[in-house]
Amino acid sequence: SQQGEEDPQALSIQEGENATMNCSYKTSINNLQWYRQNSGRGLVHLILIRSNEREKHSGRLRVTLDTSKKSSSLLITASRAADTASYFCATGVRNAGNMLTFGGGTRLMVKP
Amino acid sequence: DSGVTQTPKHLITATGQRVTLRCSPRSGDLSVYWYQQSLDQGLQFLIQYYNGEERAKGNILERFSAQQFPDLHSELNLSSLELGDSALYFCASSVRGANSGNTIYFGEGSWLTVV
Repeated sequence: SQQGEEDPQALSIQEGENATMNCSYKTSINNLQWYRQNSGRGLVHLILIRSNEREKHSGRLRVTLDTSKKSSSLLITASRAADTASYFCATGVRNAGNMLTFGGGTRLMVKP
Repeated sequence: DSGVTQTPKHLITATGQRVTLRCSPRSGDLSVYWYQQSLDQGLQFLIQYYNGEERAKGNILERFSAQQFPDLHSELNLSSLELGDSALYFCASSVRGANSGNTIYFGEGSWLTVV
């Protein structure tokens, strides 16, 4: 079973618009990491947010974490065609070993 | 480039055969993870090693095995291959474990096609 679930499963926007992807998880976490995957390629790490953090920024990316709601969101501002990819959240869960558990991902398409 | 190197990039083999996937972690990383990505199962954690010892086990089949060597590279062995084993296999590494708050870096993956 998956710990994280992304919403929506697919998102299509125009270049220049903002894209918001949400992730919900089930159990308490130590940290949450967001990754990007271009079709058939490797996973690229975007941001890690710890359970005691509420918001982090990296360039055009903004990640929030609400541990009371067990949810996180990834905002990509001023999207570009090159942002077209699948985005995954992954959680490091307490008492569940040292691995990351991934959600099903959001497929983002940015139209030029 | 994440610094995690996986070989081979692509592999086609027949059912019943055995293959070995190889991974070199980022310099200085002690933890190595193996994940399987398939269309129907998504990204599934298989196994983790830390400094040569098995640390966590996920949905890894008995036909699959892995090890981490003293130089910290790792190999994933897949035997008695079935069509359903066709997938993208990722290796990832980190300094320690995910629960230590370490970023986990992924390689480009090894595409396995079983025919």
